[in-house]
Amino acid sequence: GENVEQHPSTLSVQEGDSAVIKCTYSDSASNYFPWYKQELGKRPQLIIDIRSNVGEKKDQRIAVTLNKTAKHFSLHITETQPEDSAVYFCAASITGTASKLTFGTGTRLQVTL
Amino acid sequence: EAGVAQSPRYKIIEKRQSVAFWCNPISGHATLYWYQQILGQGPKLLIQFQNNGVVDDSQLPKDRFSAERLKGVDSTLKIQPAKLEDSAVYLCASSFGTGLPPLHFGNGTRLTVT
Repeated sequence: GENVEQHPSTLSVQEGDSAVIKCTYSDSASNYFPWYKQELGKRPQLIIDIRSNVGEKKDQRIAVTLNKTAKHFSLHITETQPEDSAVYFCAASITGTASKLTFGTGTRLQVTL
Repeated sequence: EAGVAQSPRYKIIEKRQSVAFWCNPISGHATLYWYQQILGQGPKLLIQFQNNGVVDDSQLPKDRFSAERLKGVDSTLKIQPAKLEDSAVYLCASSFGTGLPPLHFGNGTRLTVT
């Protein structure tokens, strides 16, 4: 089955700096890649997603890039703010949908003042 | 719109006891998922329903876990008997169509098995 690895496990940045979280996947058939943000004690929430027919997608301060050849995708957060502090999970699916999602192990992002 | 409702929020049981969790998805959402999130790990899919039918239960430990969604709306997940390694947050999620994103997660049930 699919295996998703995520790095780093923890990331500390200063407010205003950029943060990058990277994920690799094993199944070349994977074609849907969402990113979820989970604040402490709260539910995971979708922040951005990308499909395999697109190399990059941007939404305000958040962007995701996908390299199908290398089987990796990354989350980029620019101009980080304290409210960006949370655990971020990447995921991959071979169905092109939210079915059969395999999640990474998470990255704890801490934005310091 | 009302979100995915789960109860209870917390549950502490002893090993070998049984426990049940309840989930009510967002109204109109045909697809319902149960995920297990062990501390420090990402959510792992246990079972996915489409209406009242099972789409995927390949990662459900069927010797002790069971789930049902009899009327295609709310769902229950049961563990019997519980083991120490079942300690985790059990997240319910729903989506509108067949796996149509996004997934909407509930707040989860934190289970501690002692």
